[in-house]
Amino acid sequence: AQKITQTQPGMFVQEKEAVTLDCTYDTSDPSYGLFWYKQPSSGEMIFLIYQGSYDQQNATEGRYSLNFQKARKSANLVISASQLGDSAMYFCAMRGGLLGGYNKLIFGAGTRLAVHP
Amino acid sequence: DAGVTQSPTHLIKTRGQQVTLRCSPKSGHDTVSWYQQALGQGPQFIFQYYEEEERQRGNFPDRFSGHQFPNYSSELNVNALLLGDSALYLCASSLVSGANTEAFFGQGTRLTVV
Repeated sequence: AQKITQTQPGMFVQEKEAVTLDCTYDTSDPSYGLFWYKQPSSGEMIFLIYQGSYDQQNATEGRYSLNFQKARKSANLVISASQLGDSAMYFCAMRGGLLGGYNKLIFGAGTRLAVHP
Repeated sequence: DAGVTQSPTHLIKTRGQQVTLRCSPKSGHDTVSWYQQALGQGPQFIFQYYEEEERQRGNFPDRFSGHQFPNYSSELNVNALLLGDSALYLCASSLVSGANTEAFFGQGTRLTVV
C-alpha cells in the first residue's frame, strides 16, 4: 500500500531563515510522483513543487526545493529565506503509477509551519 | 484564466439530509477528483471522474456519489448525512495523464452537519 508520513506536526522558523519539512513515503510502484502543497487558513491547496521518481535532479521552484533521496524514500521540502506569508499547513503527497493508480493523490497528515518575525 | 471554482463555500446541513457540492475545473482540464479533509488531517481521495465516468474510488461508502457533465464540471452528492461527514471538501482538476500531472485545487466547500 502507498503511504506518506510527515512526522513533524508543527515547526517554527525565524523570518529569513531556511526550514526543512520532512516527508517519507512508501510505495511498490516503480513510477510515481511526489508533490508538496501549501494550505493557508482559507483552505485552498496551493501547488508548490513536483518531483518525479525518475528525475535525476532535485526539483526547485523559486524559494522551494525538494531534497529527493530515493533510496531512503524521502522527499523533504526546503524553504529558503522564510517569509511571514509562508505560515500555513504544508502537505506532502504522492501520485502512484501502474499499481497505485494514476488517479489519486495520497496525502500525509501535514506540518503546520509558523514563521516568526 | 479561472482556476478551479467550488460552490457553495460554506454549508450547514442537518443529520440525515442530502447535500450536493459543485465544482468547475480549470479551463482546459478534463478530469475532476474529489477529496474529503477532516479537521486536522490530510485530504482523503473520494473518487475521480473522466469522460463522465467514475475512474477510481477511494474507501468511501455508497452514500457518496458523483457526476461529471459534458462541460467537465462535476457534482459530489452525499446522502443520509452523518455528523462525521463534517469536513472540507476539495475538488481538484487535472489533465488525464501519467504520474507527473499536477492537480489544481479549488478553495473547498466547508460542510458542517448538525
